[in-house]
Amino acid sequence: AQTVTQSQPEMSVQEAETVTLSCTYDTSESDYYLFWYKQPPSRQMILVIRQEAYKQQNATENRFSVNFQKAAKSFSLKISDSQLGDAAMYFCAYRSSQGGSEKLVFGKGTKLTVNP
Amino acid sequence: ETGVTQTPRHLVMGMTNKKSLKCEQHLGHNAMYWYKQSAKKPLELMFVYNFKEQTENNSVPSRFSPECPNSSHLFLHLHTLQPEDSALYLCASSQGSGGYTGELFFGEGSRLTVL
Repeated sequence: AQTVTQSQPEMSVQEAETVTLSCTYDTSESDYYLFWYKQPPSRQMILVIRQEAYKQQNATENRFSVNFQKAAKSFSLKISDSQLGDAAMYFCAYRSSQGGSEKLVFGKGTKLTVNP
Repeated sequence: ETGVTQTPRHLVMGMTNKKSLKCEQHLGHNAMYWYKQSAKKPLELMFVYNFKEQTENNSVPSRFSPECPNSSHLFLHLHTLQPEDSALYLCASSQGSGGYTGELFFGEGSRLTVL
């Protein structure tokens, strides 16, 4: 079974600075998908960014980018120019390429604090 | 209407009570999910429904009983729960089979406390 590990329970960053959240995963599959989800306090979890394993190019979404290292099974999230609204729990997730539904395996999450 | 709506937002129940959690999605999706979120643990997938049919039961105790009358509604019926069942229960939806986007759309969750 696939597993996702987030080794940083908590992280903090100064407003306008850059922070990197770590994620590693374990799988025997060669084709899969990886995601970062954001859960603000008492609000809905939303998708931040996704990466297809067959793509070598790292995904970017505005201030959010990933460093995808397939051989190392590493998938870190970089947040540039951090804003107060970035404060949230961040979850890394894995999805097998097989199957029809979006059954995701999540990590335990990293709580990000943004200091003014 | 927000995409995925869950009610109630908060629920306190005794171990002998029977209650239900409700989830409704207004996104036209075909797949719906129940996840359990406990502190310091990964989100645990409980059930998956695709086109109203249950396609996944992740070894969930029978005191949790899901119901999916149509693709827009999902219920989680609760009875004789234990204190360790206290958690945030998240409902999610997605396009489902044949419509992969890789994205789950979540509700805000129902915070359950079992006394």
